Amino acid sequence: AQRVTQPEKLLSVFKGAPVELKCNYSYSGSPELFWYVQYSRQRLQLLLRHISRESIKGFTADLNKGETSFHLKKPFAQEEDSAMYYCALSPLTGDKLIFGTGTRLQVFP
Amino acid sequence: GAVVSQHPSRVICKSGTSVKIECRSLDFQATTMFWYRQFPKQSLMLMATSNEGSKATYEQGVEKDKFLINHASLTLSTLTVTSAHPEDSSFYICSASAGGMWTGELFFGEGSRLTVL
Repeated sequence: AQRVTQPEKLLSVFKGAPVELKCNYSYSGSPELFWYVQYSRQRLQLLLRHISRESIKGFTADLNKGETSFHLKKPFAQEEDSAMYYCALSPLTGDKLIFGTGTRLQVFP
Repeated sequence: GAVVSQHPSRVICKSGTSVKIECRSLDFQATTMFWYRQFPKQSLMLMATSNEGSKATYEQGVEKDKFLINHASLTLSTLTVTSAHPEDSSFYICSASAGGMWTGELFFGEGSRLTVL
């Protein structure tokens, strides 16, 4: 079964602290993984995708196939990073996205 | 960027009535649109994939006769909740992919909150 697990519902850190939002997936093949973000009163939007191996707003995520994980990291959190973060999986057929339950990141000043 | 608009943003209806939610891509053509449902403090649950000019593909456990999806044009998909009941109360979100090749980037609407009395 295709499943995305985000074990933390809420993650609170102080500004400048490192952040790691956990994501584990269950899929028999080689999926594509994504992180989506929803800022307060805004729509859900793409943050980054593993295939691009990019850093967006200081965030990076590495796909670990052995651990079936795709954790989102940022070395120094900023207040404007406070948002809801969703990890998502696209199966090999590439025709849909399966989302995790989301993690709310709170960055305190 | 690509913009997806949903209407209405909020709707309250009586039990037994039907409600239609529209999803429009404003500045691009969306051959594929997706309908999600979100329960409070839970994930977005994919309900169905809507392809222009063809029948929607429903996820397991989603009643296709209950949630009618129509994708009549490249810019409009509609979700009709038929004979709505209080348990259908939820937040419904549509999204669309732009362009012909799947990239995994979806553009989301603002969502529609349905309350069935």
